[in-house]
Amino acid sequence: QVQLQESGPGLVKPLDTLSLTCAVSGDSVTSSKWWAWIRQPPGKGLEWIGYVYSFGTIHYNPSLESRVTMSLDTSNNQVSLRLTSVTAVDTAVYYCARKLDSKTYFDFWGQGTLVTVSS
Amino acid sequence: QSALTQPPSASGSPGQSVIISCTGTISDVGGYNYVSWYQQHPGKAPKLMIYEVTKRPSGVPDRFSGSKSGNTASLTVSGLQAEDEADYYCSSYGGNHNQVVFGGGTKVTVL
Repeated sequence: QVQLQESGPGLVKPLDTLSLTCAVSGDSVTSSKWWAWIRQPPGKGLEWIGYVYSFGTIHYNPSLESRVTMSLDTSNNQVSLRLTSVTAVDTAVYYCARKLDSKTYFDFWGQGTLVTVSS
Repeated sequence: QSALTQPPSASGSPGQSVIISCTGTISDVGGYNYVSWYQQHPGKAPKLMIYEVTKRPSGVPDRFSGSKSGNTASLTVSGLQAEDEADYYCSSYGGNHNQVVFGGGTKVTVL
């Protein structure tokens, strides 16, 4: 069974960089899949941040593209997210999720991790 | 790419049906048969319920069905049960920049 587990600091200061990791088990990040980050501000809806393909292609949400970096750590079978210059509007539960190649839906999700931006 | 439009709430009594709409544009919902629906219970991760407009993943009850007409997709939950009370989000592929766009979510209440 595929399992995704997000981890990282729960509190980030304004204008700092948010860094999260998603540990993947039951699948390989190099197995021709897309690995996504999606966030959800408290009490609000879902927002797609972007996804990275097993062989390096990346697509970002244009509204976040200037601040986002995603990458794969193939040695540890992990997916990483960096979001720079964060503000309070970046406070959200951050989910990682899997998307099969040539498909447009997310079939497995992590449990999510809450990141609060505050001084 | 703007968010897809969903009604904020919907409700029905046990055994009844509820229909949730999801309106986009020709650039997303109307342009592709790539609408999916997710169910989210409080404090939990979203769960895929419908993909490619009408298809159900293994394990999803056939009480859940999807359809699309023009730029609007719909999720129908028939024979409402207490456990169907949750937030539901639609999503669509948007060809520009290989984007994914979500709806704002609909809270379904079982009366």
